[in-house]
Amino acid sequence: QKEVEQNSGPLSVPEGAIASLNCTYSDRGSQSFFWYRQYSGKSPELIMSIYSNGDKEDGRFTAQLNKASQYVSLLIRDSQPSDSATYLCAVRPPPSNTGKLIFGQGTTLQVKP
Amino acid sequence: NAGVTQTPKFRILKIGQSMTLQCAQDMNHNYMYWYRQDPGMGLKLIYYSVGAGITDKGEVPNGYNVSRSTTEDFPLRLELAAPSQTSVYFCASSNLSGRQDGQPQHFGDGTRLSIL
Repeated sequence: QKEVEQNSGPLSVPEGAIASLNCTYSDRGSQSFFWYRQYSGKSPELIMSIYSNGDKEDGRFTAQLNKASQYVSLLIRDSQPSDSATYLCAVRPPPSNTGKLIFGQGTTLQVKP
Repeated sequence: NAGVTQTPKFRILKIGQSMTLQCAQDMNHNYMYWYRQDPGMGLKLIYYSVGAGITDKGEVPNGYNVSRSTTEDFPLRLELAAPSQTSVYFCASSNLSGRQDGQPQHFGDGTRLSIL
């Protein structure tokens, strides 16, 4: 069974702090990893994608990938109340030619003013 | 830009009724997907399609059917609605041209379906 695991939270951080969201996956052959943000009652929207080991930064967001440990994380710097949402980790397992994604259950982030 | 359009946005069905959830995309994407999301849970893949005329089952296909007669449209059919099918349904599309495995999926706004 191919799995993607996330802590459901809620993760509560004060405004201005760094929020750290974590995700592990079971299929070692996975090559593409995505973070989606989902506001309550809305559809998922893509925040970050990462394919290579290491860090990838985009504004206040940094995705980190460690394929050896089968671990991907999302850091949100200077957290804002508007960042309060559920963050879904998604992994593309092999074979990748179907484009299928396996989603974690999501981590709920609460940023308190 | 329309992107992925789902209709209807909300629907209430009685047990045993049937209905079709519509999904259309205008991005010329070859790949389309149907997910369901139960409260507090992630997305579970119901069916997917890699091109017109080609469909395949995902993790939770029982009770659903799909067709893909055109690149743009990917309707999801519920034949005999059951309370367990109460959920939010999302349609998504992607294009695996270029970097084959790196393209994300783009989601529609969802259909909230209640079966009573």
